[in-house]
Formats: sequence, C-alpha cells, structure tokens
Amino acid sequence: KNEVEQSPQNLTAQEGEFITINCSYSVGISALHWLQQHPGGGIVSLFMLSSGKKKHGRLIATINIQEKHSSLHITASHPRDSAVYICAVFVRGNYGGSQGNLIFGKGTKLSVKP
Amino acid sequence: GAVVSQHPSWVICKSGTSVKIECRSLDFQATTMFWYRQFPKQSLMLMATSNEGSKATYEQGVEKDKFLINHASLTLSTLTVTSAHPEDSSFYICSARDYLLDGETDSYNEQFFGPGTRLTVL
Repeated sequence: KNEVEQSPQNLTAQEGEFITINCSYSVGISALHWLQQHPGGGIVSLFMLSSGKKKHGRLIATINIQEKHSSLHITASHPRDSAVYICAVFVRGNYGGSQGNLIFGKGTKLSVKP
Repeated sequence: GAVVSQHPSWVICKSGTSVKIECRSLDFQATTMFWYRQFPKQSLMLMATSNEGSKATYEQGVEKDKFLINHASLTLSTLTVTSAHPEDSSFYICSARDYLLDGETDSYNEQFFGPGTRLTVL
C-alpha cells in the first residue's frame, strides 16, 4: 500500500462544476503540499498546509491531521484547470527539525470540458 | 513565491553520451536541492539530495557514478547523466529550499520546483 493515496486517479468534469480531489496518507507528517503539473511537465505549488484550511482564488485546500486526510476543491472549474494534481507529504527525518523528504501521491488527472 | 529554473528544458542525445542538467534558484539561496525523476504516469521519485559544498546523498537504487551531482554554489546544482541509455529517458525535476529558513526547529521549509527537463536518449 502506498504511503500517499489519491482519489480519484482520473476525473472528467464539465466547466463550472465543483471538483474535489482527495488525499490520504499513512505516515506522520509535518506538512502537505498540493501541486499542479500541466502537460508540459512543470510543477507549481498550489498550497502548503499543516492544519486547517487555505483558500486561493477558486482553490480551497483542507487538511485533517487526526484523520490523515486532505482535500483539494476547485470551485467553478474551467478548462484551464485541466492538469495533474499531486498530493505530497513532508515526513520529518530522524534528526527532526526541517530535514526530511517529500513523499508523492500518483496524482489525479483532471480534465475539464468546455 | 521563489523561482527555480532548469536548463535545458528538453534534450535529445545519443546512447553513450553524457548530459548535464542545471538547476538554479533565482531569487534565493539553497544549501539543499533535490533531484527527482518521473516516468510517464508515475509519481516523482527522489533520486538524490544535493548538498552545497559536500557530497550528494543518493536514494537506494540510484547509481551515484551514473548520476553525478555537483552543488558548487548556493544557487546552482547540476545533474550529469553519464553514458546515457534509452532507459534513462525520463522527466527530471529539481527542487530547492531557501537555506535561510533551514534549521528552524519544528518548521517545514517549503520546497520550490523547477520546470523540469525532458531527456530522450536515442
């Protein structure tokens, strides 16, 4: 079982729909990233969060540390939102502090149709 | 947010040649940079952690003699794929952390990602 699981793997939506992508993890984490990867390959960090909720434009990210679960929501989806969305968790190293590694989910491929 | 650049963005080479990929932090200094590899429809896999002024730390299964990493300054790390073979064809992505924030206890220092380099070995 992967340490970071995303669902769904693929998602097709009509423009304007509300979209939710889920991420569950099985390890103790310090922080969680939601990343966006467009077909060209470049990765953009959308959110970094360790508790609660963050909002940026039409994007909302939530995390529940106790349940080891995070969600990414997109309101009023648009074709330009089509991309792969990746959940990555930061697992602290043995020496604590800021050292550690990111563990990535396999991504959710989102296609928004006009 | 901080900007990380990579060069080249894509490269095609013949089998047996070596390819160098550069990763630069443009508006911050990074003592630690990370090199990832991503195969089609797969997750990013950490290859190595590049430490400024010292040897890189390689993940299990990654050949350090094949993937040479040099982190000579606080803004530049290079990955050289030596004697490339078709199976090395992949998407290589680097990321970096701002060193000014490293070392703060109990804080996660956000990683910023480069745009990636697509390597095709013929």
